[in-house]
Amino acid sequence: AQTVTQSQPEMSVQEAETVTLSCTYDTSENNYYLFWYKQPPSRQMILVIRQEAYKQQNATENRFSVNFQKAAKSFSLKISDSQLGDTAMYFCAFMKSPGTYKYIFGTGTRLKVLA
Amino acid sequence: DARVTQTPRHKVTEMGQEVTMRCQPILGHNTVFWYRQTMMQGLELLAYFRNRAPLDDSGMPKDRFSAEMPDATLATLKIQPSEPRDSAVYFCASGLAGLVYEQFFGPGTRLTVL
Repeated sequence: AQTVTQSQPEMSVQEAETVTLSCTYDTSENNYYLFWYKQPPSRQMILVIRQEAYKQQNATENRFSVNFQKAAKSFSLKISDSQLGDTAMYFCAFMKSPGTYKYIFGTGTRLKVLA
Repeated sequence: DARVTQTPRHKVTEMGQEVTMRCQPILGHNTVFWYRQTMMQGLELLAYFRNRAPLDDSGMPKDRFSAEMPDATLATLKIQPSEPRDSAVYFCASGLAGLVYEQFFGPGTRLTVL
């Protein structure tokens, strides 16, 4: 069975600094999708970034980028120029194959951006 | 601005009562998910539907939980009878299978069973 591990329950970062959240997963699949979702205090889950396993290039969305290491089964999220609005829970999610559309979520990392 | 809506946003009820949570997926989406979020268990998938047909409800306690999609614009999750351990935030999400596989989440229903 697939598992997703987020080993950092809580992190903090100073405003304008860079922070990296880690995520590892376990799978025997070759084709899959990975996602990072953000859940601010409002509870609304918002997609931050996605990565298709067949793509070697790391995904980037403005200040958010990933370091996808397929062989190591690692999918970390880097937030550059952290802003107070980035304070949230961040969840890593794995989707086994396009046909299922089912996510397996990690336990989350609570990120606090300090002024 | 298309979004998933859920009602009610908050529900407090007593043990043994029936609870119904409703979700309106984004128009045109063909897949609907129900999740439960607790501090202890995190985000758990309860059930999901494709084109209104249930695809997987293995995460749902069958004796008390039921999920349906009466039509393409409404998904319901019922708990009968409710128990204190059902207290959680319940999220509905929708998506369009075959595209980018993003799931769009609703704001959640916070359920408290006393």
